[in-house]
Amino acid sequence: DIRMTQSPASLSASLGETVNIECLASEDIYSDLAWYQQKPGKSPQLLIYNANSLQNGVPSRFSGSGSGTQYSLKINSLQSEDVATYFCQQYNNYPFTFGSGTKLEIK
Amino acid sequence: QVTLKESGPGMLQPSKTLSLTCSFSGFSLSTSGMVVSWIRQPSGKSLEWLAAIDWDGDKYYNPSLKSRLTVSKDTSNTQVFLKITSVDIADTATYYCAPRYYGPYYFDYWGQGVMVTVSS
Repeated sequence: DIRMTQSPASLSASLGETVNIECLASEDIYSDLAWYQQKPGKSPQLLIYNANSLQNGVPSRFSGSGSGTQYSLKINSLQSEDVATYFCQQYNNYPFTFGSGTKLEIK
Repeated sequence: QVTLKESGPGMLQPSKTLSLTCSFSGFSLSTSGMVVSWIRQPSGKSLEWLAAIDWDGDKYYNPSLKSRLTVSKDTSNTQVFLKITSVDIADTATYYCAPRYYGPYYFDYWGQGVMVTVSS
């Protein structure tokens, strides 16, 4: 299985700040990477796919980058509604695997 | 409009078989390229992809659980099922189904999830 190591586990930032979340794959996943946002009690929502493609309807302050084994999610101008847990997922190979999650809070 | 709803027993005892149903509308699993996956999430933890079935009836399983999983679909192609045998406390989770039309296999639609508790 491809292991996805996500960091940090938790993050506290001020409104308007920029935050970065990282995901490291145990092998090259050729940009087959998605990012999800999950709010408490809700299903995950797709933010980014193919490492850097913004899903329809997702604010442009979210962006993804990376290649090979290293990927990141950037949130510019942090808003209160961005409080959530974020997960990465690789879909290069079965079984699809997810990162352990990053819990984002407002300072 | 794609909608999905998972259903299940809510609670069951260890060693029993868990049966889950994903009922959906807005797409048909008879459409070439459609795949429906099952994913679970223990409370406060990450997500685990379990299994998938495609329009042609081909099935895909997470090797870590393969011996206990069976995924299937109904003949009307509007429901997908998942059975997990010999459940234990570690199977306590919210279970989601998620469709995808062709690859790549990220998930842009999710059901609301169904919580399952395994307890004696």
